[in-house]
Amino acid sequence: GAVVSQHPSRVICKSGTSVKIECRSLDFQATTMFWYRQFPKKSLMLMATSNEGSKATYEQGVEKDKFLINHASLTLSTLTVTSAHPEDSSFYICSAREGRGEKLFFGSGTQLSVL
Amino acid sequence: DAKTTQPNSMESNEEEPVHLPCNHSTISGTDYIHWYRQLPSQGPEYVIHGLTSNVNNRMASLAIAEDRKSSTLILHRATLRDAAVYYCILRGYTSYDKVIFGPGTSLSVIP
Repeated sequence: GAVVSQHPSRVICKSGTSVKIECRSLDFQATTMFWYRQFPKKSLMLMATSNEGSKATYEQGVEKDKFLINHASLTLSTLTVTSAHPEDSSFYICSAREGRGEKLFFGSGTQLSVL
Repeated sequence: DAKTTQPNSMESNEEEPVHLPCNHSTISGTDYIHWYRQLPSQGPEYVIHGLTSNVNNRMASLAIAEDRKSSTLILHRATLRDAAVYYCILRGYTSYDKVIFGPGTSLSVIP
């Protein structure tokens, strides 16, 4: 089946630094990718919807300048957490779909810890 | 966005069937019903999806009410590895539909 690869799986960084998370669809073309964050024992919270070749659509309350999303190709989307602070510590998950209305494939998630 | 409601938690004994309900009374005619599950510290994984008819696959069965306002995910024989949070979501059929997750149902399987 289709696979979405997300890297890194875990990252620890100092406050003020930037962190980039990669999400790749390995054997299909993903015209749309979604980025979520998840706090412990909570559900996934949609951050943004990313369409290849266009600007991402951010959910209300998500800072565009803080969470930079790039979807430059049909197989790669990146999320950059800029000037990270401890409150940005969370589990970040990407998702991609193969077609309209079809099933979603998820990355394994990235646990970000900002010291 | 059409919303879904699920019980917060459920318990099942190992090797017994489990019926996980989901209500989606505001579903539109083109919304697909999807189920995903998430094990601890992992991304969600696809379980099953359907539009109108009941669906079966190697993981589970999906029973959809005739009016499509509710559905039930059926795990025929629960195993310890089925302990997870199960999410029922509605997927539109447009190019830019976003995917919103509700709280889901946390399933515990008792040995």
